[in-house]
Amino acid sequence: NAGVTQTPKFQVLKTGQSMTLQCAQDMNHNSMYWYRQDPGMGLRLIYYSASEGTTDKGEVPNGYNVSRLNKREFSLRLESAAPSQTSVYFCASSGRGGLRNEQFFGPGTRLTVL
Amino acid sequence: DAKTTQPPSMDCAEGRAANLPCNHSTISGNEYVYWYRQIHSQGPQYIIHGLKNNETNEMASLIITEDRKSSTLILPHATLRDTAVYYCIVRVGASGAGSYQLTFGKGTKLSVIP
Repeated sequence: NAGVTQTPKFQVLKTGQSMTLQCAQDMNHNSMYWYRQDPGMGLRLIYYSASEGTTDKGEVPNGYNVSRLNKREFSLRLESAAPSQTSVYFCASSGRGGLRNEQFFGPGTRLTVL
Repeated sequence: DAKTTQPPSMDCAEGRAANLPCNHSTISGNEYVYWYRQIHSQGPQYIIHGLKNNETNEMASLIITEDRKSSTLILPHATLRDTAVYYCIVRVGASGAGSYQLTFGKGTKLSVIP
């Protein structure tokens, strides 16, 4: 199993450009999440999806949109990128039954907005 | 979810036990203590979780005080590969396959020294 995969690994955008970050998981998990991590900080939740067809806002949703394309894929879109969105973006999934149910994280996408 | 307090950094000699403390004085009766770690530039990784009893797995041990207001993560024989940021997170519920939010603070940066 590949676990959680993210594309691209790195991206540089100019202010105002748009882009979509892709995330896929092969663990048959119901829940998927998007976090951002700014330098020296912990992760903050942007959006999450409890199941296919549903999405909910997290702590910092402004400036982002998401799509839960199917059970495997959850994308994050920046419609008009701003320098404040320079960050590392992590996708995660969860859905293990029982008492553990931890979140599994992808390797991250490093985004710079100039 | 309850707020947690961790020291910003700690050092540990290679081969010795690393003891990472966490205060969560406002924890509620139905909240669990989770530990994740983030090795440089990678996505966070689940380590262990517990409610009130001490827990041990292949990676670490978790000691929770009787009043549940603090806990300690123990890495019994720290190696250089354990150098990472360790996050203590408190959240409601651990069972089931549903979605949930993780609130990350700044964590403790553990440096394992040769």
